[in-house]
Amino acid sequence: NAGVTQTPKFRVLKTGQSMTLLCAQDMNHEYMYWYRQDPGMGLRLIHYSVGEGTTAKGEVPDGYNVSRLKKQNFLLGLESAAPSQTSVYFCASSYQAVYEQYFGPGTRLTVT
Amino acid sequence: LAKTTQPISMDSYEGQEVNITCSHNNIATNDYITWYQQFPSQGPRFIIQGYKTKVTNEVASLFIPADRKSSTLSLPRVSLSDTAVYYCLVEEAENYGQNFVFGPGTRLSVLP
Repeated sequence: NAGVTQTPKFRVLKTGQSMTLLCAQDMNHEYMYWYRQDPGMGLRLIHYSVGEGTTAKGEVPDGYNVSRLKKQNFLLGLESAAPSQTSVYFCASSYQAVYEQYFGPGTRLTVT
Repeated sequence: LAKTTQPISMDSYEGQEVNITCSHNNIATNDYITWYQQFPSQGPRFIIQGYKTKVTNEVASLFIPADRKSSTLSLPRVSLSDTAVYYCLVEEAENYGQNFVFGPGTRLSVLP
């Protein structure tokens, strides 16, 4: 039981490049989330999903897109990376709303 | 949106009990209070959740007064390994995710 895994762990992009972050969970959770965390700050919710095929905007969705084609996977895309998107990205999942969230190890993204 | 306010930092010594208080004046009837712990370079980890009165598990207790406008996380007999950032969240059962916010948290330093 791996829990929540994230791919890749580190990535450096140039401004304007695109990339996709992959999150996978093996706990059969309905809810999945993408957060970003900037130095010394709390986590901010980017997008979330309440089930396969659904997505919804969180607090800071601009510049990101997501997809949940399979229940176990939640993808976060950056179409045109900007230096302001330099951050650590965390994925999480939970069984239902207001249940314990399980977090992945994070992806450290640097945009130059 | 029930905004939370916590102390930015706290210091304690090994073996002491630590109490971290969180204010959430605008909490709604169906909202829950959840606490997470985060170590450097890791995703947050669930500690405890409650709705009212007192909740206790193997690592912490959560005290919520009758008006629910604040909550206190109690860590008994802390050790050096409890040095971390602690986040208080108010989770809205209705429209879950739309107003999901981690604040800056409380940075707890446990000294020998």
